[in-house]
Formats: sequence, structure tokens, C-alpha cells
Amino acid sequence: EVQLLESGGGLVQPGGSLRLSCAASGFMFDRYAMTWVRQAPGKGLESVSVIGSRGIRYAESVKGRFTISRDNSKNLVFLQMNSLTVEDTAVYFCAALDNFASENWGRGTMVSVSS
Amino acid sequence: QSALTQPPSASGSPGQSVTISCTGTSSDVGGYNYVSWYQHHPGKAPKLLIYEVNKRPSGVPDRFSGSKSGNTASLTVSGLQSEDEADYYCCSFAGNNMPYVFGTGTKVTVL
Repeated sequence: EVQLLESGGGLVQPGGSLRLSCAASGFMFDRYAMTWVRQAPGKGLESVSVIGSRGIRYAESVKGRFTISRDNSKNLVFLQMNSLTVEDTAVYFCAALDNFASENWGRGTMVSVSS
Repeated sequence: QSALTQPPSASGSPGQSVTISCTGTSSDVGGYNYVSWYQHHPGKAPKLLIYEVNKRPSGVPDRFSGSKSGNTASLTVSGLQSEDEADYYCCSFAGNNMPYVFGTGTKVTVL
């Protein structure tokens, strides 16, 4: 069974940092691109970052502040988030990409940026 | 990268059909056959319904179908059921800058 489990969310002040982790199991992790998608309160889904054989990509809204990485030996993908603003408040999902779509998603981890 | 445009809401009675549009540009929807559709019940993980415009993952009922014409993709839900009440998002590959762009989302209500 494919499982993706996010962790690392929480409450942080503006300007602070958080590191999200996503633990994957049940599939050949190193063969898949991985992505982080977020949903701000009352808003829609937004693609944040992708890491895979085609390289690394970021949404303009996070470029220069967020860094995606992965450890294929441990089936982990990370999202280092720096210089957080209130606009980064959202549920962050990790997902595996196949055929340019994501069939497998985690349940998400909440990030709240507030003073 | 601007979000793809979806109607904010759609509704139908049980057994009826509803079609949701997703309008982008030639840089995303119109440029690639990599449009996907997701069903999202709040508080849960999104569920993939359609990939590559019109393909269904294993286990997704054939009541869900996708299509594309030019810069607009569509999702049709036939034979509406109460459990279809959810938010629906389209998503398209958008090239090398930021590979994926989501739609604005459509809330489907089963009357």
C-alpha cells in the first residue's frame, strides 16, 4: 500500500523557518518525481515545488525562500521554508507524480504563520 | 503562472450530469495533453479522477470523464451521487518554469 506521511508543520512567526518532511512507502520512490502542493484557508490548490528527473522547479511565490530536496536512501522528501510570511499559511501536501499527475497524496500538514 | 479558470460552483440533482470547464492558455492546457482532474473533500487528501486529459486511474468509476478542446478542458460527472459533492480541481502541465498549474476550483453541489 502506498503511503505518504507529512510532518513538520506548526505555528511560526513571520520571518521564521520550518522544514517539512514527507515519508514515502509502498512504491519505488526513486523512480518518481515528488511534489509539494498547498492549500491556504478558503483557497484552492497551488503547486509549490517539484523535484524529479527533469530537475527542480518552484512557484514564483516561493522562489528564493523554499528549497525542495530528497533522500532516496530513506524515501524522504523535504521542503525547507525560510522567510515565511502570513501568505504561506496553508495545509501542505506531498504527492508522487506519475504520468504528469498525482494519484498518491499524503493527508497534509498545517503551517500557520502568525505573530 | 496564473491559475486555470474554473466556474466557482456547479450543481445537479442525483442522476443528472454536470460538466466543469477549465480554461487555460496555449502554454498549459492547450499546449500539452497532460490535464488532470482531482476531487477534494475538505480535510482529506485530493483524489485523482482523470489524467492525460481523458484517462481514468484504476478504481475511478466511468461516470467521470474528461475531454479537451483547444485551451479548455472539461470534466463531466454523470449519474450524480451524493458522495460526488466536493471541490474539483483541474491541473495542467505548464512547461519548464513551474511545471504544474491548478485551476481555481469548482464546488459541486448535489441538490
